[in-house]
Amino acid sequence: ETGVTQSPTHLIKTRGQQVTLRCSSQSGHNTVSWYQQALGQGPQFIFQYYREEENGRGNFPPRFSGLQFPNYSSELNVNALELDDSALYLCASSPTGQNTGELFFGEGSRLTVL
Amino acid sequence: GENVEQHPSTLSVQEGDSAVIKCTYSDSASNYFPWYKQELGKGPQLIIDIRSNVGEKKDQRIAVTLNKTAKHFSLHITETQPEDSAVYFCAASIPNDMRFGAGTRLTVKP
Repeated sequence: ETGVTQSPTHLIKTRGQQVTLRCSSQSGHNTVSWYQQALGQGPQFIFQYYREEENGRGNFPPRFSGLQFPNYSSELNVNALELDDSALYLCASSPTGQNTGELFFGEGSRLTVL
Repeated sequence: GENVEQHPSTLSVQEGDSAVIKCTYSDSASNYFPWYKQELGKGPQLIIDIRSNVGEKKDQRIAVTLNKTAKHFSLHITETQPEDSAVYFCAASIPNDMRFGAGTRLTVKP
């Protein structure tokens, strides 16, 4: 059974640029959640996708957007990057449509914005 | 929205001692409370969870207690070992929205 995989593992961008992060969910999981983890902080909920639709969102601006594909993989897009967007971005998948069960996390994509 | 507070932020214990981490939450609709362990360079991994209809759950050296009236829950690790050293996160969840505490860095000294 393949776990959650994320790419790229590390990347560096400059302010104002756009970034796309990718996530492959664990086999059999149809729900994907994205989290932002700043250094020394807990993961902050960005949004969740279930069956290709966003079905939950945290307190993040619209420049954070996402997609989920028919194979349940997902993308996180961030436009107009700001310095404070520097963080570890975690993707987590789960087998149910509601976020009340175990989340299986990938190892994250570390984004540095200069 | 839900707000989860976690204490302490750092905790250092001697090998074999117990460790306790406490969390409070604000949204009475939260009904699922997991604890995650995050090692350096890795994503968080679930170590134990509890649902709102249960007051206590134990799995070998790890136990979690939940007080829904007071809106707090705790993680207890007994007989700590050096490999327990990591950052631990509590979380509280309502449907489609899981919120995490800020984390506790646990160090177990041999």
